[in-house]
Amino acid sequence: AQSVTQLGSHVSVSEGALVLLRCNYSSSVPPYLFWYVQYPNQGLQLLLKYTTGATLVKGINGFEAEFKKSETSFHLTKPSAHMSDAAEYFCAVSTENTGTASKLTFGTGTRLQVTL
Amino acid sequence: EAQVTQNPRYLITVTGKKLTVTCSQNMNHEYMSWYRQDPGLGLRQIYYSMNVEVTDKGDVPEGYKVSRKEKRNFPLILESPSPNQTSLYFCASSFFGLPYYEQYFGPGTRLTVT
Repeated sequence: AQSVTQLGSHVSVSEGALVLLRCNYSSSVPPYLFWYVQYPNQGLQLLLKYTTGATLVKGINGFEAEFKKSETSFHLTKPSAHMSDAAEYFCAVSTENTGTASKLTFGTGTRLQVTL
Repeated sequence: EAQVTQNPRYLITVTGKKLTVTCSQNMNHEYMSWYRQDPGLGLRQIYYSMNVEVTDKGDVPEGYKVSRKEKRNFPLILESPSPNQTSLYFCASSFFGLPYYEQYFGPGTRLTVT
């Protein structure tokens, strides 16, 4: 079984400050990890994903995340927040299931607020 | 433009009145899925389909039905809606076969059952 924990349902940062959204996962097999973003009244769109290889993954809009196997974490960061980053962010994990569809399991989400 | 479309976007209905939410994708994806999003619970999978005529239950299938008669369409059916099905629903699609394929999401359908 796989699961995702996102610490902090709401995070507030000032414009220009560091953004750090936390994600820890549980998986008995090598995971594939994703961050999705949901802007108000829209569907989810992919920010970035980790499959294999380089553990530091760069995504769109200046976001990046680092896969740390020893800590079972995949935290999302951005050096300098912008007002347009205000949205809800979801961490998700998937694993390979031979012969069946791989399931994507989502965390409960973190709402990011950016203030002036 | 590659996209997943859902209709309607907003729906208010009464308990017991059958409804269908449509989902269509134009990317020739094999895999399609329905999720519901509730505050504090994230997204939970309702049903998914690996290809035409192949569907299976997700985590919260009770009270829902689906069908996959064509590759591009995956409607969600609530035969007797109840207030606990008030939620935000998302359809998603992706290529099938590898777990790191990105899922593409529709814009969502906000359903209220009174």
